[in-house]
Amino acid sequence: GAVVSQHPSWVICKSGTSVKIECRSLDFQATTMFWYRQFPKQSLMLMATSNEGSKATYEQGVEKDKFLINHASLTLSTLTVTSAHPEDSSFYICSARARSVNTEAFFGQGTRLTVV
Amino acid sequence: AQSVTQPDIHITVSEGASLELRCNYSYGATPYLFWYVQSPGQGLQLLLKYFSGDTLVQGIKGFEAEFKRSQSSFNLRKPSVHWSDAAEYFCAVGALTGGGNKLTFGTGTQLKVEL
Repeated sequence: GAVVSQHPSWVICKSGTSVKIECRSLDFQATTMFWYRQFPKQSLMLMATSNEGSKATYEQGVEKDKFLINHASLTLSTLTVTSAHPEDSSFYICSARARSVNTEAFFGQGTRLTVV
Repeated sequence: AQSVTQPDIHITVSEGASLELRCNYSYGATPYLFWYVQSPGQGLQLLLKYFSGDTLVQGIKGFEAEFKRSQSSFNLRKPSVHWSDAAEYFCAVGALTGGGNKLTFGTGTQLKVEL
């Protein structure tokens, strides 16, 4: 199957700093990428959908200025958590949908963010 | 709006026993249904998916699921569980909007396997 890679796998940052998480589709072109957030022992909540070359569509309740999403190429999307605070600590997962595949999206391995 | 319910938060089975994880969905049209497995601290791995056609879907690792429209269910089954199957299992329903597949996940079922 198609491979989606997230980097870093885990990151610890100080409160007030910004953190960038990368999501790459390694062997296919991803026209659409999705960013999810998962709290401990809870399900995944969709944060935003990004299409290559256009602005991301954010889900209700997700702060656009807090979680900056860029999808500048067909193989890379980034999520930047700006001015991070401890409540932003979470597991962030991306998924990518290939142009040639009608419905299935492939998931990255996730990034554990801890804000101290 | 679409939604997914996984009634069982935790399930414990003995190794070698059969398994059924329940999933009920709510969706206005024909749903696209998925089962994913997540190991601790890891991303999601797709076990199987249903888009159309045969309502009994075969997946990886010996899993299967049956789509029952009348019951709005998509239960996951495995005839004989292995200790390595212990993980979190998520059912999801997808909506094809704007060319993407926006997934709504259930709350997950934590599977514990007793040796």
